[in-house]
Parts: sequence; structure tokens; C-alpha cells
Amino acid sequence: KQEVTQIPAALSVPEGENLVLNCSFTDSAIYNLQWFRQDPGKGLTSLLLIQSSQREQTSGRLNASLDKSSGRSTLYIAASQPGDSATYLCAVWGKTSYDKVIFGPGTSLSVIP
Amino acid sequence: GAVVSQHPSRVICKSGTSVKIECRSLDFQATTMFWYRQFPKQSLMLMATSNEGSKATYEQGVEKDKFLINHASLTLSTLTVTSAHPEDSSFYICSALPGLASYEQYFGPGTRLTVT
Repeated sequence: KQEVTQIPAALSVPEGENLVLNCSFTDSAIYNLQWFRQDPGKGLTSLLLIQSSQREQTSGRLNASLDKSSGRSTLYIAASQPGDSATYLCAVWGKTSYDKVIFGPGTSLSVIP
Repeated sequence: GAVVSQHPSRVICKSGTSVKIECRSLDFQATTMFWYRQFPKQSLMLMATSNEGSKATYEQGVEKDKFLINHASLTLSTLTVTSAHPEDSSFYICSALPGLASYEQYFGPGTRLTVT
């Protein structure tokens, strides 16, 4: 059974700092891994999706890496801003695109001006 | 990109009533849709997988008679919370898969249900 964990559960950093969020999964046979952002009381915003054949994806100040063999993914945020404050969720697919998606518990990020 | 909508975005209902939540794929056909729920300060948990024209597959612990799912067309799936109780108050999110060849599911904006 796939289990997804995220460390840390919460993080508070001063504005401008670079930071790394971690995601671990127990079954390396995944189809995709995706990072989402969720603002309080809101839905999900997709940040980056990494297919199983890829090792990383980049979008602006965000970079996500995937190491299937070790069951890990990291989300790197450069030059953090107060607007980055949100909960970041890691989600992994099963073996196919139509398999269930398992979400991690999330990392609550607070960027202090 | 592909867009998934949900309606309503927020609903408040009285205990004992039923509430229907719609999930629509706006610019693609979705043979498969998924329903998730999120309790406060927790992550999303899959409730059921909905395939067009067939019965939904429910995850362990999810009451199929309480959470009725209908996927009558390739662009619409509905989740009906029957005889709602305060403990059903949650955030419900759907996702839709454009086809088996697609590599990505697309998520709706979510519906916040409050049962008083």
C-alpha cells in the first residue's frame, strides 16, 4: 500500500530565503508525482508534475526533483516571498494515469516579510 | 489546459437533508473521475472512482449508500451526500481523467460543505 509522507509538517522562514520541501513515498512504482499548492479554504493549484521517466521539472522559482529508486521528491523554492505562504501537497499516482492519487499530509509554509 | 469545474463552490445545509455536488469537465471528455474529501487541517483522501456508465468503486470505509456517485455522461459526475450530518462537513474535490492515454488528472476547485 502506497504511503506518502512530507517533511517538515510546518515551516516558517524569512522572506528571501531558499527552501526545500520533502516528499517520500513507499512504493517506487509510480506513474506521476505532482506538487500542489493549497491556500486556506481554497482548492488545489497544480505547481509541477513529474512523469515517472523524468527527474525534474522547473517553473519560475520552483524546481521539483524525483528520485523513484529512493522514493523521494523535493520541491525547491528560490527567493521565497510572503505570497508563497500556503500548504504544499505532494501527490503520487499508482502505476497508470487512471490509478488513484495518494496525497501526502502537506507542508504548511509561512514566509515572513 | 483542461478545465474542471465544480458546483456549488460552497453549500450550507441542515442536518438530514441531501446535497448534490457536480463535477464537470469543460473542454474534454472524462471517462474516469475521482472524488476526494478533505477534513480540516488534513490531506485529501480518495473516496471513490467514477467511470462513465458504470457503478463507482468506493474506497474502504466510504459508505456507498451515503455518498451516491453518478457518472451519467462523459463530462459530468455527481456526488450526492444523503441525509447529511455535521460530521459530513468537509471539502470535496473531484478530478477528471481525459482518457487512459492521458498522463494527468485535472482537479476541480472544490466544494465546501457545511452541515448545521
